[in-house]
Amino acid sequence: AVQLVESGGGLVQPKESLKISCAASGFTFSNAAMYWVRQAPGKGLEWVARIRTKPNNYATYYADSVKGRFTISRDDSKSMVYLQMDNLKTEDTAMYYCTASTGRGVMDAWGQGASVTVSS
Amino acid sequence: DIVMTQSPFSLAVSEGEMVTINCKSSQSLLSSGNQKNYLAWYQQKPGQSPKLLIYYASTRQSGVPDRFIGSGSGTDFTLTISDVQAEDLADYYCLQHYSSPYTFGAGTKLELK
Repeated sequence: AVQLVESGGGLVQPKESLKISCAASGFTFSNAAMYWVRQAPGKGLEWVARIRTKPNNYATYYADSVKGRFTISRDDSKSMVYLQMDNLKTEDTAMYYCTASTGRGVMDAWGQGASVTVSS
Repeated sequence: DIVMTQSPFSLAVSEGEMVTINCKSSQSLLSSGNQKNYLAWYQQKPGQSPKLLIYYASTRQSGVPDRFIGSGSGTDFTLTISDVQAEDLADYYCLQHYSSPYTFGAGTKLELK
């Protein structure tokens, strides 16, 4: 079965950095575009970042709200995707979901989420 | 960036009723290359991760009951749930994946009347 498991969430202070990870299994990871989507407490879904596959040069894309501060990356040999978050702001507090496009051309698999709290 | 305007914000229904949720994009989501609309619908129940219901505007994800129907093209899209069941009470979101950055609608909360 397809599985995405996030890790690395926690409490950090504003302007600090945090890196969250996602371990994938149950599908051909190297063929899948990978994404991060977040949800602030009591709010809606916000698309954060996307990384394409090797044939697409691992191209990356970001929401305007995180561009220049967040970096998405992947390690196909380990079936892992990461989100490096720098210069964190209180408004980055959210549940961060790892998602994958495993064959429908859209995010069709979701993890359970990693909670990130930015507070002094 | 493409803006997704979703309505209504909330909807109170009784079991057995039919509901419609609308989503309008600020530009066309129809690809001239493959004639597919890059619009998806997700369901999120309390405390759970989102679940894909519909992709390419009208294709039902495997395992999704046929009472969930997606329609529309270009800039106007609709999710119809016929014969609403108690298990359908959730938040629903549209998503455009036509161009990055992808964008979600604000969501619709489906509640019991």
